[in-house]
Amino acid sequence: GAVVSQHPSRVICKSGTSVKIECRSLDFQATTMFWYRQFPKQSLMLMATSNEGSKATYEQGVEKDKFLINHASLTLSTLTVTSAHPEDSSFYICSGGPRAQYFGPGTRLLVL
Amino acid sequence: GNSVTQMEGPVTLSEEAFLTINCTYTATGYPSLFWYVQYPGEGLQLLLKATKADDKGSNKGFEATYRKETTSFHLEKGSVQVSDSAVYFCALSASGNQFYFGTGTSLTVIP
Repeated sequence: GAVVSQHPSRVICKSGTSVKIECRSLDFQATTMFWYRQFPKQSLMLMATSNEGSKATYEQGVEKDKFLINHASLTLSTLTVTSAHPEDSSFYICSGGPRAQYFGPGTRLLVL
Repeated sequence: GNSVTQMEGPVTLSEEAFLTINCTYTATGYPSLFWYVQYPGEGLQLLLKATKADDKGSNKGFEATYRKETTSFHLEKGSVQVSDSAVYFCALSASGNQFYFGTGTSLTVIP
């Protein structure tokens, strides 16, 4: 199957700082990738659809100015959590590949 | 709209017991159905999938059959092992390739 990587795997930051999470497709080109968020002991919820060369599409209730998505190439999508706060602490996972069924290993964000 | 309803856990079984985790769905169109497994501290791993009615997905002793008449995709394994302890997510993908997940079922297998 397709391989999706994420970096970093975990990050701890102070409240008010911005954090960038990278999602890379290692063996395929992705015009579309998806970003999900998973709170502890809960399911994954779609945040946004990342579109190569154009603006991301955000789900209802997700602040586009807070969660900046950039998809500048066919192998890289980035999610930047701007001015992070403790309530943004979560597990962020991206997906891509054929039918977007391949998920990255996730990035655990802890905002102090 | 699209949604997945999954059996709530946690589920605790003895090694070699039979496992069933129920999953039902609602969807517009003709979705593909998936089971993912998440081990502690890790991301999602695709366990199995089925893309049309009556298809059976299988992997590592797990299997699930896409039942359109009952809108179900129950996960089964005949004999669980301690290493199967994880959280299992049922999911569907419709047009657009975005996924809709169930709430997850935590499975613990004890020796």
